[in-house]
Amino acid sequence: QKEVEQNSGPLSVPEGAIASLNCTYSDRGSQSFFWYRQYSGKSPELIMSIYSNGDKEDGRFTAQLNKASQYVSLLIRDSQPSDSATYLCAVNILSSGSARQLTFGSGTQLTVLP
Amino acid sequence: DTGVSQNPRHKITKRGQNVTFRCDPISEHNRLYWYRQTLGQGPEFLTYFQNEAQLEKSRLLSDRFSAERPKGSFSTLEIQRTEQGDSAMYLCAGTSGSTDTQYFGPGTRLTVL
Repeated sequence: QKEVEQNSGPLSVPEGAIASLNCTYSDRGSQSFFWYRQYSGKSPELIMSIYSNGDKEDGRFTAQLNKASQYVSLLIRDSQPSDSATYLCAVNILSSGSARQLTFGSGTQLTVLP
Repeated sequence: DTGVSQNPRHKITKRGQNVTFRCDPISEHNRLYWYRQTLGQGPEFLTYFQNEAQLEKSRLLSDRFSAERPKGSFSTLEIQRTEQGDSAMYLCAGTSGSTDTQYFGPGTRLTVL
């Protein structure tokens, strides 16, 4: 079982719609959760971090965390073509030996259609 | 711009050659990470420094790989006797204080012919 799992997609949504990206993780003791956006050929760019159960909003982005279900999601409202990218879920997996390294999912490719 | 820089941005080398990459984090980044990313995959952890101390190395980091962070500032990652399987994007990330938030540099894309 992979430690961090994401639907690989591709996920296509029309411009202006809500895009929903999902991620599950294996370590129940994980404390820190991150969403990164990665454009083709570029490095990951931090979008959101979330540490507590519930929702965290930042502009058009909302991260949702449910530790009991070991599930974290990212909602993108009013999706724009510029949001087309791969979205990486990253989790601090304590079982990997260090409390500080991040374990990434393989990413979900999002395409926003004009 | 995260303030983390990496050089070179691209490197093409022949199998068997040695290559060295450099990462310059911002001064506040007491912790520095190296990751490797292949096409279609998320970044995979390679190694981690807290200041100048290398505290953890992944099993992915074979004996051909070595990393340093002298004086706790910039870091280098060297790959000896490169193999075609080493072709990937090598990413450096920095973080500071008690946060786990990591900020990535632009990466170095390595192609081994």
